[in-house]
Amino acid sequence: AQSVTQLDSHVSVSEGTPVLLRCNYSSSYSPSLFWYVQHPNKGLQLLLKYTSAATLVKGINGFEAEFKKSETSFHLTKPSAHMSDAAEYFCVVSDMETGGSYIPTFGRGTSLIVHP
Amino acid sequence: DGGITQSPKYLFRKEGQNVTLSCEQNLNHDAMYWYRQDPGQGLRLIYYSQIVNDFQKGDIAEGYSVSREKKESFPLTVTSAQKNPTAFYLCASSPGQLLYNSPLHFGNGTRLTVT
Repeated sequence: AQSVTQLDSHVSVSEGTPVLLRCNYSSSYSPSLFWYVQHPNKGLQLLLKYTSAATLVKGINGFEAEFKKSETSFHLTKPSAHMSDAAEYFCVVSDMETGGSYIPTFGRGTSLIVHP
Repeated sequence: DGGITQSPKYLFRKEGQNVTLSCEQNLNHDAMYWYRQDPGQGLRLIYYSQIVNDFQKGDIAEGYSVSREKKESFPLTVTSAQKNPTAFYLCASSPGQLLYNSPLHFGNGTRLTVT
């Protein structure tokens, strides 16, 4: 069985300071991991994904994430926050479960607040 | 441009009425999903379909029904049996089993309010 835990429900930063959104996962297989962003009343947009290639993954808008198998973590970072980064962020794990089904599992989300 | 279209964006219904949410995709994706989003609870899977004419229950299927008669379409009906239907509903698609590590593509959602 797979699961994902986003360790913070809210993260507050000042514009221009680094961003860290934490995600831990549990998976029986070799998982694929994703980060998505959601702006208010919108669908989710893919930020980046890890699929067993390089452990440091670069995404859109300056975000990146590092896959650490020993820590079962996939934290999202950005060196310098921008006001437009304020949104909800979701960590997602996906692997081939029993029966061959592919069902992504979502974390509960982290709300990123950016102060001027 | 390829994508997923959900309609309507906002929907209001009286308690006891069934309501159907539309989801159409032109990405030629095999798999489609319905999620429900409530504040602080992330996305919860209602139903999913890996191929036409086949669908499976997700974690919270009670009070919902779906059909998959065409590859492009995956409508969701919220029935009167759903005890707390007011929520934001998101439809998604992906290429399917053979590309299991492909990301999901999402529509912009339908906000359903039942009073």
